[in-house]
Amino acid sequence: EVRLVESGGGLVQPGGSLRLSCAASGFTFISYWMSWVRQAPGKGLEWVASINQDGSEMHYVDSVEGRFTISRDNAENSLYLQMSNLRSDDTAVYYCARVMRLRSYYFDLWGQGTLVTVSS
Amino acid sequence: DIVMTQSPDSLAVSLGERATINCKSSQSVLYSPNNHNYLAWYQQKPGQPPKLLIYWASTRESGVPDRFSGSGSGTDFTLTISSLQAEDVAVYYCQQYDSVPPTFGPGTKVHIK
Repeated sequence: EVRLVESGGGLVQPGGSLRLSCAASGFTFISYWMSWVRQAPGKGLEWVASINQDGSEMHYVDSVEGRFTISRDNAENSLYLQMSNLRSDDTAVYYCARVMRLRSYYFDLWGQGTLVTVSS
Repeated sequence: DIVMTQSPDSLAVSLGERATINCKSSQSVLYSPNNHNYLAWYQQKPGQPPKLLIYWASTRESGVPDRFSGSGSGTDFTLTISSLQAEDVAVYYCQQYDSVPPTFGPGTKVHIK
């Protein structure tokens, strides 16, 4: 079964750090760009970051540039998002998504998401 | 960044009737060299992640029922559900993938009248 499973969410104080993980299975992970997309409570979807197949190219939305780092371990079929200096507006469900990389990205497979709450 | 807008915000449709959702981009997402529109549609049911329905503005993803269709070009696009079923209650998002960052519309909530 083709699947993405996120973990690592939770409650963190403003200014704190958190590392999200995404375990991929059922497809050739190394063949795909991967992304994180988030959704604030009751709100729409926002692309956060993407990484290419060998981890040598990363792109970020401006609001997380310098605070978040996307990475991957192809030997473990895993994707990560290291988040630091977290703010209240980072509160969201974070989805791991498989990317169809063209001029930009669209997302053909999504995980169930992990909730990150930034609050004191 | 390309700004995506959708209308209406919410839509109530009777079972078996047609639902039409509009999406507009702030600049064209038609790439002339290949004549493709870089526009996707997603469905998000309550408590679930989004699901890809359509890409290239009109190509259905594998397994998506043929009552879902996409149309349009340039800056104006439409998602049509030809005969609404109970399981189609969801929020629908359009997304451009012509340029980075990829951007989504605000969503259209479809419910049963």
